[in-house]
Amino acid sequence: DQQVKQNSPSLSVQEGRISILNCDYTNSMFDYFLWYKKYPAEGPTFLISISSIKDKNEDGRFTVFLNKSAKHLSLHIVPSQPGDSAVYFCASGGEQGAQKLVFGQGTRLTINP
Amino acid sequence: DAGITQSPRHKVTETGTPVTLRCHQTENHRYMYWYRQDPGHGLRLIHYSYGVKDTDKGEVSDGYSVSRSKTEDFLLTLESATSSQTSVYFCATRGTSYEQYFGPGTRLTVT
Repeated sequence: DQQVKQNSPSLSVQEGRISILNCDYTNSMFDYFLWYKKYPAEGPTFLISISSIKDKNEDGRFTVFLNKSAKHLSLHIVPSQPGDSAVYFCASGGEQGAQKLVFGQGTRLTINP
Repeated sequence: DAGITQSPRHKVTETGTPVTLRCHQTENHRYMYWYRQDPGHGLRLIHYSYGVKDTDKGEVSDGYSVSRSKTEDFLLTLESATSSQTSVYFCATRGTSYEQYFGPGTRLTVT
């Protein structure tokens, strides 16, 4: 069973507009959520996170929203820039202090000029 | 970012041969992880370590073993490589927060 799901394999957005990436999880015990960005031939890099006690966290152009009742989180990027074109992974963890993260399948974001 | 290196960066090997991938970190992080990335599956945890000589299995551990004799090194061994183990392998470390920091990856091809 897949505990963390990103149902959109790809997303195409025009430069300057908002990009919204979505992620759903099934385990209500998760208490920490993260987004990673990955360029080709590189390792994933940490982007932004949120704990279950919050419903929003903002860092510059990036905002993560958490809806615990729906078990859903989203990443908003505004305005989108060409350098944002990458694969984005959401991850969840913190279940009872566990040291592991569970990752989604990833969404490939393409920003068109 | 944690100073994480992986070696080799690319490897082609034949079915049935043993393969060892190395991860080295300079941040003195307690936790280290090995993942594989495959299309449609995202990042899947193979094994992880929570201290020297302390390791545990992840979700896709069959066919893999690990060892951690020093804080800075975490080795992943494929005892007898199979074509299904063709993948990109990432090492990650974690300090005191939940964020994990990833190495550059090793592309392994088993022919």
